[in-house]
Amino acid sequence: DAMVIQNPRYQVTQFGKPVTLSCSQTLNHNVMYWYQQKSSQAPKLLFHYYDKDFNNEADTPDNFQSRRPNTSFCFLDIRSPGLGDAAMYLCATSSPWSSGLESTDTQYFGPGTRLTVL
Amino acid sequence: RKEVEQDPGPFNVPEGATVAFNCTYSNSASQSFFWYRQDCRKEPKLLMSVYSSGNEDGRFTAQLNRASQYISLLIRDSKLSDSATYLCVVNPMDSSYKLIFGSGTRLLVRP
Repeated sequence: DAMVIQNPRYQVTQFGKPVTLSCSQTLNHNVMYWYQQKSSQAPKLLFHYYDKDFNNEADTPDNFQSRRPNTSFCFLDIRSPGLGDAAMYLCATSSPWSSGLESTDTQYFGPGTRLTVL
Repeated sequence: RKEVEQDPGPFNVPEGATVAFNCTYSNSASQSFFWYRQDCRKEPKLLMSVYSSGNEDGRFTAQLNRASQYISLLIRDSKLSDSATYLCVVNPMDSSYKLIFGSGTRLLVRP
């Protein structure tokens, strides 16, 4: 069963046309993350939510915004996509209060949304 | 200096070979370490956590050397299905919730 779901899997948008990517989780994890990953590069953290607390990375452009209306859902809004924003966008979750053998900082990723900007 | 550095490879090995990857990290206070596997155009998936004493999971062995600040991953008896990119991941402990990813080492296992 899918635990972290991302929609759509592929998104094509035009230069400057706003786009929203969505992520949902069935894990009931407190923390949700958005990463940007370009070819042959490491995933780059854009921001994360701990519950409703939003944490922006210092180098995340203002063009990127996020919303988390409830525990299960998180959205990435790109207000004016540029050609350089074409990438895979990955959503991940973690639960600092996990019990058992699982490390509390293990992150679980969704399948990603591949964004193309024309 | 990058926070987490890996040799990008690719490592091109025959089936059955043993292959080892190393990764170095810059923050000596880091406490948690992981190896993730990422297939082409797919999401990263946790392969294994790395514990101070080292740990093994089947054909995979992870080691941590705190003094030299490096982590290793050993794959024995390589399978074609092991072909992927292996990401070294570190929790720098300036936040409990953030992980720093290396750029990955690409492995190609040939028949």
